[in-house]
Amino acid sequence: AQSVTQPDIHITVSEGASLELRCNYSYGATPYLFWYVQSPGQGLQLLLKYFSGDTLVQGIKGFEAEFKRSQSSFNLRKPSVHWSDAAEYFCAVARQGAQKLVFGQGTRLTINP
Amino acid sequence: DTAVSQTPKYLVTQMGNDKSIKCEQNLGHDTMYWYKQDSKKFLKIMFSYNNKELIINETVPNRFSPKSPDKAHLNLHINSLELGDSAVYFCASSQDGGGYYEQYFGPGTRLTVT
Repeated sequence: AQSVTQPDIHITVSEGASLELRCNYSYGATPYLFWYVQSPGQGLQLLLKYFSGDTLVQGIKGFEAEFKRSQSSFNLRKPSVHWSDAAEYFCAVARQGAQKLVFGQGTRLTINP
Repeated sequence: DTAVSQTPKYLVTQMGNDKSIKCEQNLGHDTMYWYKQDSKKFLKIMFSYNNKELIINETVPNRFSPKSPDKAHLNLHINSLELGDSAVYFCASSQDGGGYYEQYFGPGTRLTVT
C-alpha cells in the first residue's frame, strides 16, 4: 500500500527566506505525486503535480518540486516566502489509474515577519 | 461562483443524533469524494463516486451512508453520531477518477459531536 511521510510537522521561516518542505513516499512503481495547500479555515488547493517527464515541476504561487526516484522524495521548494504562504501543506500520492489520494500528515508553515 | 460547495459549514450536535452534510459541484466533473480530516489534520478518503456509482468505500462504519442523487451532488448522512466522528469533512470532485486529474476541494464542514 502507498504511504506518504512528511517528516516536519511544523516549520518556521522568515519572510523572504527560502523554503523546502520534505515529502517521502512508499510505492512500488512511479506514482502520481501532488502538493496541496490548506489555508486556515479553507479547503485544499493544488499547488503542483508530477506524473512523468521532467522531474522538476513548476506550480502556482512560485512553488516548485523535484521528484527524485532514488530517494523516493518529492520535496517542495520556494526561493523566497511571503507572509501569505503561511498555511498547512500536504503531500499526496496516487497510484496510476486509481482514484484514491493518500495524504501525508501535513507540514504547518509559519512565517516570521 | 463556488466550484465545490458544502453545507453546512459548521455542525454541532449531540451523540446519537443523525445528521447530513450536502455537497454540490458545478464543474461538470464525473467523480466526487468525501474525506475526513481529524484533529491532527490527517486527511483520509472515505468514499468516492463516479457518475453516481460507488467506487471507493474505505472501511468506513456503515453509520456513514453517502448518497449521490446525480453526478453533481454527493451527500453524506451519518447515523447515531459518536464523539469520534468529530472532524472536518471535505467534499472534492475531479474530472474523472483515474488519479490524473486535479481534485477540487470544498471549504469543509466542521462537525462537533458533544
